[in-house]
Amino acid sequence: QQQVKQSPQSLIVQKGGISIINCAYENTAFDYFPWYQQFPGKGPALLIAIRPDVSEKKEGRFTISFNKSAKQFSLHIMDSQPGDSATYFCAAGNTGNQFYFGTGTSLTVIP
Amino acid sequence: DAGVIQSPRHEVTEMGQEVTLRCKPISGHDYLFWYRQTMMRGLELLIYFNNNVPIDDSGMPEDRFSAKMPNASFSTLKIQPSEPRDSAVYFCASSLAGAVNQPQHFGDGTRLSIL
Repeated sequence: QQQVKQSPQSLIVQKGGISIINCAYENTAFDYFPWYQQFPGKGPALLIAIRPDVSEKKEGRFTISFNKSAKQFSLHIMDSQPGDSATYFCAAGNTGNQFYFGTGTSLTVIP
Repeated sequence: DAGVIQSPRHEVTEMGQEVTLRCKPISGHDYLFWYRQTMMRGLELLIYFNNNVPIDDSGMPEDRFSAKMPNASFSTLKIQPSEPRDSAVYFCASSLAGAVNQPQHFGDGTRLSIL
């Protein structure tokens, strides 16, 4: 059973637009929901993370929205830039334990 | 601070050969994870350790795969014998337990090609 489902698989956005990536999870015991950004030839790097006791977290142009009752969370990238073109992974799990990763979203921001 | 260090960055070898991938976690981290990334299957957890002890190896695909962590600063993932379908990017990650909001930190991976 896939613990974390991520959509869309790929996304093309115009520069300045909003990129939205969605994830859903199964296990209500998860208490940590990070998003990772991966550039070609590099490992995934933590972008932003949220815990289930808040509904939204914002860091610069990146915002996580969290809906605990629906078991869903999403990443919003405001004012998308070509430099944001990368693959984005959501994950869910418990700190210091196994994370379950989504299948990734390839984002392309067109100048 | 030094991040997770993996070696080699690239490995090309012939089918049937033994392959050893190496990882040095971030100093002080007590969890270590090995992942495999392919286009078809995404990021798969192979095995993870806590305080050098394997906790869950259910993701290891076959007996040809083995992983060890002889001390807190070093881990290996070995494939013997290797097969073309093992071609992938292998990542090592480490994290710190016992504290909130501690993510996994990834190395830059080993790109493995089995001919």
